[in-house]
Amino acid sequence: DAGVTQSPTHLIKTRGQQVTLRCSPISGHKSVSWYQQVLGQGPQFIFQYYEKEERGRGNFPDRFSARQFPNYSSELNVNALLLGDSALYLCASSLRRGYSYEQYFGPGTRLTVT
Amino acid sequence: RKEVEQDPGPFNVPEGATVAFNCTYSNSASQSFFWYRQDCRKEPKLLMSVYSSGNEDGRFTAQLNRASQYISLLIRDSKLSDSATYLCVVNSGAGSYQLTFGKGTKLSVIP
Repeated sequence: DAGVTQSPTHLIKTRGQQVTLRCSPISGHKSVSWYQQVLGQGPQFIFQYYEKEERGRGNFPDRFSARQFPNYSSELNVNALLLGDSALYLCASSLRRGYSYEQYFGPGTRLTVT
Repeated sequence: RKEVEQDPGPFNVPEGATVAFNCTYSNSASQSFFWYRQDCRKEPKLLMSVYSSGNEDGRFTAQLNRASQYISLLIRDSKLSDSATYLCVVNSGAGSYQLTFGKGTKLSVIP
């Protein structure tokens, strides 16, 4: 079975530009979450979507937005890029096992802002 | 207090050694607990979910103490392939998909 896929794998943008990152979840998974990971830190939660509705939002500015489509794929948009937005952006799709919500990550998009 | 705190690393151990990672979390409403491993410049991969009764998967054993808000991971008979960063992860509360990650502990298994 195919895992979580993300595109593009790498991206270089300049300050002030906008970027769109894409994610396709594992087949049958209806929840997608986005995380930002900067070097030396664990991933930080940005958004979670379930059945096309936003179910959770982390402590990120309004420049960050996302959406989920009817096929459960998702996009993360970041406007007015700052140097500090340089990071690995991870998408995870989720499967509920009882009370546990196991999340499986895609390979990520490495964003560099210059 | 940080939401999820892990042992500072790095841990450098010889092949065959037993190594233990510890983690504490601050959100008493958390209900789901995990250990992920992350190789350099790769995505985190789910290693184990952690259950109240403790669980074992081959050389890996995870324990959870809800009263102390403490999670542990034990790796027996370390292999070179175990070299990675180990991330302690908890969810934000009942029914929440939001995961909070520790900073991770880097393990290097030395021949």
